[in-house]
Amino acid sequence: GDSVTQMEGPVTLSEEAFLTINCTYTATGYPSLFWYVQYPGEGLQLLLKATKADDKGSNKGFEATYRKETTSFHLEKGSVQVSDSAVYFCAFWRSGAGSYQLTFGKGTKLSVIP
Amino acid sequence: DGGITQSPKYLFRKEGQNVTLSCEQNLNHDAMYWYRQDPGQGLRLIYYSQIVNDFQKGDIAEGYSVSREKKESFPLTVTSAQKNPTAFYLCASSIAEGGNEQFFGPGTRLTVL
Repeated sequence: GDSVTQMEGPVTLSEEAFLTINCTYTATGYPSLFWYVQYPGEGLQLLLKATKADDKGSNKGFEATYRKETTSFHLEKGSVQVSDSAVYFCAFWRSGAGSYQLTFGKGTKLSVIP
Repeated sequence: DGGITQSPKYLFRKEGQNVTLSCEQNLNHDAMYWYRQDPGQGLRLIYYSQIVNDFQKGDIAEGYSVSREKKESFPLTVTSAQKNPTAFYLCASSIAEGGNEQFFGPGTRLTVL
């Protein structure tokens, strides 16, 4: 069935380090892909998205490229800040007629230390 | 400002009691969703509604009920049949067509004592 596999956390980085959070998906067709971020005690916010193969989503210095051949959507940032500390979720829309459901990964907790 | 509101932010109930969580949106979205979040498990879909007076079960609907009498509102009732109700509950909405962004509320943390 449809699923998302995310890199397990927690991930701890020093400020200004390079970040990669891996995400791969299993789905039929070509779903839209998303990265959401959740700050402590809050709901989720959309970070970026890509709707077709080779699209690159970007926002706030984060980037992810929709790779159809490897069914991946890895999240990257060149230089993380303490304020990036949060939980990051990879997600995609399930396929199938009349299906309007997002499938989420389990989330990856990022802690950035000064 | 447009957005989704959930109330209350923290809720405590005794075991065996039903409790209703509120979710209101003013984004004019047709579709609304309820998720449950547990540590290390990501988000799991409880119920969703694509249009007023219609809703479908998600992956973990047992022990929960919903109603959709108005476009703006999608309350979730956690019944006494839900065996492990303590969790963080998130409401979301989107335009009806699949493939689009879901907007999330701030969540309600329910603790059953």
